[in-house]
Amino acid sequence: GAVVSQHPSWVICKSGTSVKIECRSLDFQATTMFWYRQFPKQSLMLMATSNEGSKATYEQGVEKDKFLINHASLTLSTLTVTSAHPEDSSFYICSARRLAGPTGELFFGEGSRLTVL
Amino acid sequence: GENVEQHPSTLSVQEGDSAVIKCTYSDSASNYFPWYKQELGKRPQLIIDIRSNVGEKKDQRIAVTLNKTAKHFSLHITETQPEDSAVYFCAASMAGGSYIPTFGRGTSLIVHP
Repeated sequence: GAVVSQHPSWVICKSGTSVKIECRSLDFQATTMFWYRQFPKQSLMLMATSNEGSKATYEQGVEKDKFLINHASLTLSTLTVTSAHPEDSSFYICSARRLAGPTGELFFGEGSRLTVL
Repeated sequence: GENVEQHPSTLSVQEGDSAVIKCTYSDSASNYFPWYKQELGKRPQLIIDIRSNVGEKKDQRIAVTLNKTAKHFSLHITETQPEDSAVYFCAASMAGGSYIPTFGRGTSLIVHP
């Protein structure tokens, strides 16, 4: 089956620093990747849609200068949380959709738990 | 855009009982309805999906039904086991092409042994 790897799985950083999270599709090509934020016991909140070779599309209320997304290849998208603050602490999950496939199934990464001190 | 409502938010059952989770959607153009299971601290994983050209799909103890006219679909789990305890998310989207899936708010299923 298709595998999406997300790294790091957890990270602790100081307030004001930047953190980069990687999302890789290991055995398939993904033109589109999605980045979500999930608070405890809540649903997946879509932050942005990452398209290979073009600018990401951000959901309303998500600051594009704070959450930088880069999708430089068909297998890698990165999310950088810039100047992180404690309120940015959350569980961030990516998902990828196969370039070729009949159903449009999404494959999720393991998630990255960010704690900002 | 699409709006997906999911109920209940929490469901508690005894082992062996059945569990039903219901979702409604608003966009009649949606034609692909996946269900994901997310265990605590882990990634969501697809457990079953259904396309709009069928009304029901079954895979062992889980089944999904779809009513296109009413724009609702349901997840049915029979003979529940403690390992079924997790958060379940429904989603609605258009298969293929360029789409953004819309997720329901999730249902926390607790199966008591």
